[in-house]
Amino acid sequence: NAGVTQTPKFQVLKTGQSMTLQCAQDMNHEYMSWYRQDPGMGLRLIHYSVGAGITDQGEVPNGYNVSRSTTEDFPLRLLSAAPSQTSVYFCATSRDTNTGELFFGEGSRLTVL
Amino acid sequence: GQQLNQSPQSMFIQEGEDVSMNCTSSSIFNTWLWYKQDPGEGPVLLIALYKAGELTSNGRLTAQFGITRKDSFLNISASIPSDVGIYFCAGPYTGNQFYFGTGTSLTVIP
Repeated sequence: NAGVTQTPKFQVLKTGQSMTLQCAQDMNHEYMSWYRQDPGMGLRLIHYSVGAGITDQGEVPNGYNVSRSTTEDFPLRLLSAAPSQTSVYFCATSRDTNTGELFFGEGSRLTVL
Repeated sequence: GQQLNQSPQSMFIQEGEDVSMNCTSSSIFNTWLWYKQDPGEGPVLLIALYKAGELTSNGRLTAQFGITRKDSFLNISASIPSDVGIYFCAGPYTGNQFYFGTGTSLTVIP
């Protein structure tokens, strides 16, 4: 059982480039979400999805797009990367959001030059 | 967004000491969660609290849901080196948005 798999683990981009961070889960969880982690800021919610075809904005959605065409995958797209998007990104899923238990991937470290 | 403030921001303690940290919110939460993040990994849930005043333990960890519903506390007794990491409080906002605190970084000196 892989759980939550994020790729790539590391990426360096130049300002203005685009890229997609992949998140795949094999736990059949309906809820998926993306967070960014910055020093002193904790984890901030970017976008989330409660099921295939449904996405919504979190606390810091600007500069990011998401889609949810299948239960398993929830990619995060940066259309035109900026240095302010240098961060560690985490994908998290949940079987039942009422419990509050989120299962996190190992993270993707992105540097934008 | 919701503001969850954790204190202290960092702690350096000797192995065997007890640890206390807390989390305060500007809003009322109906659920309080405590997560731990080991270096290079994603956070993992330690304890979940669902009722004001609730006190819950998980081994050497004890957490409490504050009576005002705007705060929560986490205690670790007899710390060991593997307790090193970042501890986050979190709570659900609007049910499907989970907000995390700023984190408390714990270093245990053997």
